[in-house]
Amino acid sequence: SQQGEEDPQALSIQEGENATMNCSYKTSINNLQWYRQNSGRGLVHLILIRSNEREKHSGRLRVTLDTSKKSSSLLITASRAADTASYFCATRDNYGQNFVFGPGTRLSVLP
Amino acid sequence: NAGVTQTPKFQVLKTGQSMTLQCAQDMNHEYMSWYRQDPGMGLRLIHYSVGAGITDQGEVPNGYNVSRSTTEDFPLRLLSAAPSQTSVYFCASSPGTSGGYSYEQYFGPGTRLTVT
Repeated sequence: SQQGEEDPQALSIQEGENATMNCSYKTSINNLQWYRQNSGRGLVHLILIRSNEREKHSGRLRVTLDTSKKSSSLLITASRAADTASYFCATRDNYGQNFVFGPGTRLSVLP
Repeated sequence: NAGVTQTPKFQVLKTGQSMTLQCAQDMNHEYMSWYRQDPGMGLRLIHYSVGAGITDQGEVPNGYNVSRSTTEDFPLRLLSAAPSQTSVYFCASSPGTSGGYSYEQYFGPGTRLTVT
Protein backbone atom coordinates (compact mmCIF):
# COMPACT_ATOMS: atom_id res chain seq x y z
CA SER A 1 0.00 0.00 0.00
CA GLN A 2 1.31 3.42 -0.89
CA GLN A 3 1.68 5.98 1.85
CA GLY A 4 2.73 8.95 -0.24
CA GLU A 5 0.98 10.15 -3.37
CA GLU A 6 2.56 12.84 -5.51
CA ASP A 7 0.71 15.19 -7.75
CA PRO A 8 0.72 16.13 -10.49
CA GLN A 9 1.74 12.89 -12.18
CA ALA A 10 3.53 14.87 -14.88
CA LEU A 11 4.62 18.48 -15.22
CA SER A 12 6.19 20.37 -18.15
CA ILE A 13 7.69 23.82 -17.71
CA GLN A 14 10.10 26.13 -19.46
CA GLU A 15 13.65 26.59 -18.25
CA GLY A 16 13.80 29.34 -15.64
CA GLU A 17 10.29 28.75 -14.34
CA ASN A 18 9.51 27.32 -10.91
CA ALA A 19 8.21 23.78 -10.48
CA THR A 20 5.98 22.73 -7.60
CA MET A 21 5.16 19.15 -6.74
CA ASN A 22 2.92 17.96 -3.95
CA CYS A 23 2.86 14.86 -1.79
CA SER A 24 0.04 13.61 0.41
CA TYR A 25 0.36 10.82 2.93
CA LYS A 26 -1.98 8.90 5.16
CA THR A 27 -0.56 8.17 8.60
CA SER A 28 1.55 9.99 11.16
CA ILE A 29 5.18 10.33 10.15
CA ASN A 30 8.58 10.77 11.69
CA ASN A 31 9.95 12.56 8.66
CA LEU A 32 9.37 12.93 4.94
CA GLN A 33 12.03 12.69 2.26
CA TRP A 34 12.20 13.72 -1.37
CA TYR A 35 14.19 11.82 -3.97
CA ARG A 36 15.03 12.42 -7.62
CA GLN A 37 15.41 9.75 -10.29
CA ASN A 38 16.98 10.51 -13.62
CA SER A 39 15.90 8.26 -16.46
CA GLY A 40 17.40 4.79 -16.14
CA ARG A 41 19.17 5.55 -12.88
CA GLY A 42 18.71 4.90 -9.17
CA LEU A 43 17.06 7.34 -6.80
CA VAL A 44 19.08 10.12 -5.23
CA HIS A 45 18.16 11.69 -1.92
CA LEU A 46 17.39 15.41 -2.15
CA ILE A 47 16.12 16.63 1.17
CA LEU A 48 14.61 15.42 4.45
CA ILE A 49 12.14 17.33 6.57
CA ARG A 50 11.26 16.22 10.08
CA SER A 51 7.73 16.16 11.41
CA ASN A 52 8.43 19.13 13.72
CA GLU A 53 9.74 21.30 10.85
CA ARG A 54 7.53 23.37 8.56
CA GLU A 55 9.99 24.44 5.89
CA LYS A 56 13.45 23.54 4.74
CA HIS A 57 15.76 24.86 2.03
CA SER A 58 18.61 23.34 0.10
CA GLY A 59 20.00 25.38 -2.78
CA ARG A 60 17.17 25.85 -5.28
CA LEU A 61 14.93 23.43 -3.41
CA ARG A 62 12.32 24.41 -0.88
CA VAL A 63 10.25 21.82 0.95
CA THR A 64 7.26 22.52 3.14
CA LEU A 65 5.43 20.15 5.43
CA ASP A 66 1.91 20.51 6.82
CA THR A 67 1.29 17.65 9.23
CA SER A 68 -2.29 18.80 9.90
CA LYS A 69 -3.09 18.29 6.21
CA LYS A 70 -0.68 15.37 5.85
CA SER A 71 0.95 17.00 2.87
CA SER A 72 4.29 18.27 1.65
CA SER A 73 5.40 20.29 -1.34
CA LEU A 74 8.68 20.49 -3.20
CA LEU A 75 9.49 23.71 -5.00
CA ILE A 76 12.35 23.88 -7.49
CA THR A 77 13.16 27.48 -8.36
CA ALA A 78 14.72 28.72 -11.60
CA SER A 79 14.51 25.28 -13.15
CA ARG A 80 17.12 23.96 -15.55
CA ALA A 81 17.00 21.29 -18.23
CA ALA A 82 19.11 19.11 -15.90
CA ASP A 83 16.21 19.09 -13.42
CA THR A 84 14.26 16.88 -15.83
CA ALA A 85 13.62 13.74 -13.78
CA SER A 86 11.02 11.95 -11.70
CA TYR A 87 10.56 13.13 -8.13
CA PHE A 88 9.34 10.92 -5.32
CA CYS A 89 8.32 11.54 -1.77
CA ALA A 90 8.97 8.87 0.81
CA THR A 91 7.66 8.54 4.32
CA ARG A 92 8.39 6.28 7.22
CA ASP A 93 5.80 6.32 9.93
CA ASN A 94 6.48 6.23 13.64
CA TYR A 95 5.63 2.55 13.85
CA GLY A 96 7.51 1.12 10.92
CA GLN A 97 11.07 0.59 9.80
CA ASN A 98 10.55 0.99 6.10
CA PHE A 99 10.09 3.72 3.58
CA VAL A 100 7.01 3.93 1.43
CA PHE A 101 7.31 5.74 -1.90
CA GLY A 102 4.65 7.41 -3.95
CA PRO A 103 4.31 6.89 -7.74
CA GLY A 104 6.27 10.07 -8.44
CA THR A 105 5.97 13.25 -10.49
CA ARG A 106 7.66 13.31 -13.91
CA LEU A 107 9.11 16.76 -14.46
CA SER A 108 10.17 17.91 -17.90
CA VAL A 109 12.06 21.18 -18.16
CA LEU A 110 12.11 22.44 -21.72
CA PRO A 111 15.02 24.59 -22.94
CA ASN B 1 33.51 4.55 -1.49
CA ALA B 2 31.69 2.72 -4.29
CA GLY B 3 28.36 3.19 -2.48
CA VAL B 4 25.73 0.62 -3.45
CA THR B 5 26.59 -1.66 -6.34
CA GLN B 6 24.27 -4.03 -8.17
CA THR B 7 24.94 -6.76 -10.69
CA PRO B 8 23.94 -7.54 -13.34
CA LYS B 9 22.63 -4.36 -14.99
CA PHE B 10 20.46 -6.28 -17.42
CA GLN B 11 19.13 -9.84 -17.41
CA VAL B 12 16.76 -11.86 -19.54
CA LEU B 13 15.31 -15.04 -18.07
CA LYS B 14 12.95 -17.68 -19.32
CA THR B 15 9.90 -18.54 -17.26
CA GLY B 16 10.83 -21.01 -14.53
CA GLN B 17 14.52 -20.13 -14.38
CA SER B 18 16.10 -18.96 -11.15
CA MET B 19 18.75 -16.36 -10.58
CA THR B 20 20.32 -14.14 -7.95
CA LEU B 21 20.58 -10.38 -8.13
CA GLN B 22 23.64 -9.16 -6.27
CA CYS B 23 23.79 -6.08 -4.04
CA ALA B 24 26.72 -4.81 -2.03
CA GLN B 25 27.44 -1.66 -0.05
CA ASP B 26 30.67 -0.40 1.47
CA MET B 27 29.24 2.20 3.86
CA ASN B 28 28.77 -0.16 6.82
CA HIS B 29 25.02 0.45 6.73
CA GLU B 30 22.83 -1.73 8.90
CA TYR B 31 19.64 -1.36 6.88
CA MET B 32 19.35 -2.76 3.35
CA SER B 33 16.34 -3.24 1.15
CA TRP B 34 15.15 -4.42 -2.24
CA TYR B 35 12.50 -2.63 -4.30
CA ARG B 36 10.91 -3.25 -7.61
CA GLN B 37 9.81 -0.40 -9.83
CA ASP B 38 7.06 -0.83 -12.38
CA PRO B 39 5.65 1.92 -14.61
CA GLY B 40 3.22 4.12 -12.74
CA MET B 41 3.63 2.15 -9.51
CA GLY B 42 6.53 3.88 -7.80
CA LEU B 43 8.77 1.62 -5.76
CA ARG B 44 7.45 -1.35 -3.88
CA LEU B 45 9.41 -2.97 -1.08
CA ILE B 46 10.19 -6.66 -1.58
CA HIS B 47 12.38 -7.57 1.40
CA TYR B 48 14.50 -5.71 3.88
CA SER B 49 17.15 -6.33 6.50
CA VAL B 50 18.04 -4.36 9.63
CA GLY B 51 21.35 -6.14 10.12
CA ALA B 52 23.35 -9.25 9.36
CA GLY B 53 21.30 -12.36 9.98
CA ILE B 54 17.99 -10.47 10.11
CA THR B 55 15.59 -10.23 7.17
CA ASP B 56 11.89 -9.57 6.82
CA GLN B 57 9.23 -9.31 4.16
CA GLY B 58 8.07 -6.13 2.56
CA GLU B 59 4.97 -5.37 0.55
CA VAL B 60 5.55 -7.81 -2.35
CA PRO B 61 7.74 -10.70 -1.14
CA ASN B 62 6.18 -13.62 -3.02
CA GLY B 63 8.57 -15.33 -5.42
CA TYR B 64 11.68 -13.81 -3.86
CA ASN B 65 14.11 -14.87 -1.16
CA VAL B 66 16.86 -12.94 0.58
CA SER B 67 19.64 -13.60 3.04
CA ARG B 68 22.04 -11.34 4.89
CA SER B 69 25.13 -13.22 6.00
CA THR B 70 27.33 -10.10 6.09
CA THR B 71 26.70 -6.40 6.63
CA GLU B 72 27.92 -5.67 3.09
CA ASP B 73 25.90 -8.08 0.94
CA PHE B 74 22.18 -8.55 0.42
CA PRO B 75 21.40 -10.84 -2.54
CA LEU B 76 17.89 -11.26 -3.92
CA ARG B 77 16.96 -14.66 -5.31
CA LEU B 78 14.20 -15.30 -7.80
CA LEU B 79 13.12 -18.86 -7.20
CA SER B 80 11.17 -19.58 -10.40
CA ALA B 81 10.93 -16.56 -12.65
CA ALA B 82 7.54 -15.47 -13.96
CA PRO B 83 6.65 -12.78 -16.54
CA SER B 84 5.04 -10.78 -13.71
CA GLN B 85 8.53 -10.34 -12.25
CA THR B 86 9.64 -8.32 -15.27
CA SER B 87 10.66 -5.07 -13.64
CA VAL B 88 13.54 -2.85 -12.59
CA TYR B 89 15.03 -3.88 -9.26
CA PHE B 90 16.75 -1.48 -6.92
CA CYS B 91 18.80 -2.21 -3.86
CA ALA B 92 19.19 0.48 -1.21
CA SER B 93 21.03 0.90 2.06
CA SER B 94 20.75 3.25 4.99
CA PRO B 95 22.24 3.69 8.44
CA GLY B 96 18.73 2.87 9.59
CA THR B 97 17.10 4.67 12.45
CA SER B 98 18.48 6.19 15.62
CA GLY B 99 16.25 7.52 18.36
CA GLY B 100 13.35 7.58 15.94
CA TYR B 101 15.26 9.56 13.29
CA SER B 102 15.18 7.95 9.85
CA TYR B 103 18.24 8.38 7.70
CA GLU B 104 18.26 8.76 3.95
CA GLN B 105 18.58 5.77 1.69
CA TYR B 106 21.33 5.28 -0.88
CA PHE B 107 20.28 3.48 -4.04
CA GLY B 108 22.14 1.28 -6.45
CA PRO B 109 21.87 1.81 -10.23
CA GLY B 110 19.29 -0.94 -10.68
CA THR B 111 18.92 -4.23 -12.53
CA ARG B 112 16.54 -4.37 -15.48
CA LEU B 113 15.02 -7.87 -15.58
CA THR B 114 12.91 -9.29 -18.37
CA VAL B 115 11.20 -12.65 -18.01
CA THR B 116 9.91 -14.20 -21.23
